[in-house]
Amino acid sequence: DVKVTQSSRYLVKRTGEKVFLECVQDMDHENMFWYRQDPGLGLRLIYFSYDVKMKEKGDIPEGYSVSREKKERFSLILESASTNQTSMYLCAGRGSYNSPLHFGNGTRLTVT
Amino acid sequence: LAKTTQPISMDSYEGQEVNITCSHNNIATNDYITWYQQFPSQGPRFIIQGYKTKVTNEVASLFIPADRKSSTLSLPRVSLSDTAVYYCLVGDQAGTALIFGKGTTLSVSS
Repeated sequence: DVKVTQSSRYLVKRTGEKVFLECVQDMDHENMFWYRQDPGLGLRLIYFSYDVKMKEKGDIPEGYSVSREKKERFSLILESASTNQTSMYLCAGRGSYNSPLHFGNGTRLTVT
Repeated sequence: LAKTTQPISMDSYEGQEVNITCSHNNIATNDYITWYQQFPSQGPRFIIQGYKTKVTNEVASLFIPADRKSSTLSLPRVSLSDTAVYYCLVGDQAGTALIFGKGTTLSVSS
């Protein structure tokens, strides 16, 4: 069975902290994605990666960076967390061209 | 990138058929159309995918007209557990962004 795992379900951080959100997939997916989801705004793409060490900006990359040192792991980094980054963060992976996305269950991040 | 437009919300009663239409006027030749379902506090999950005409699986049907500028997800005989947000996503070449629209919130009542 396919699996995308996000390391934390809930996370509370303080303003200014550096935050790491981890995502691991066990499906040998080439493509991995980070989205954030806020009420009324749907899913917004932050960054994606189509290969190890490759990354591309999505619609809202400001304030975020990513790391993909190994194929199975795609990390989202908040360099200096701010309250407007309080959100649900969703990681997804997919294999070949046009294959469906598989999502993790999300990390609900609160920045105080 | 093909942008999608869906109704913000829909209401239905148990046992009815529900059809949710998605517009994607600038769909590219190689793009597939994929629908996802999302429950609160969970990630979206795949429902159905198609390229043209009609696709059916155990939970839904997907109708795509010849010009492929829209698609309709059909849920037969919905139940309360079908209350969720439904997203249509137009696929792209591997290595490019996948942009979701805002989705359709379906509310099913008894």
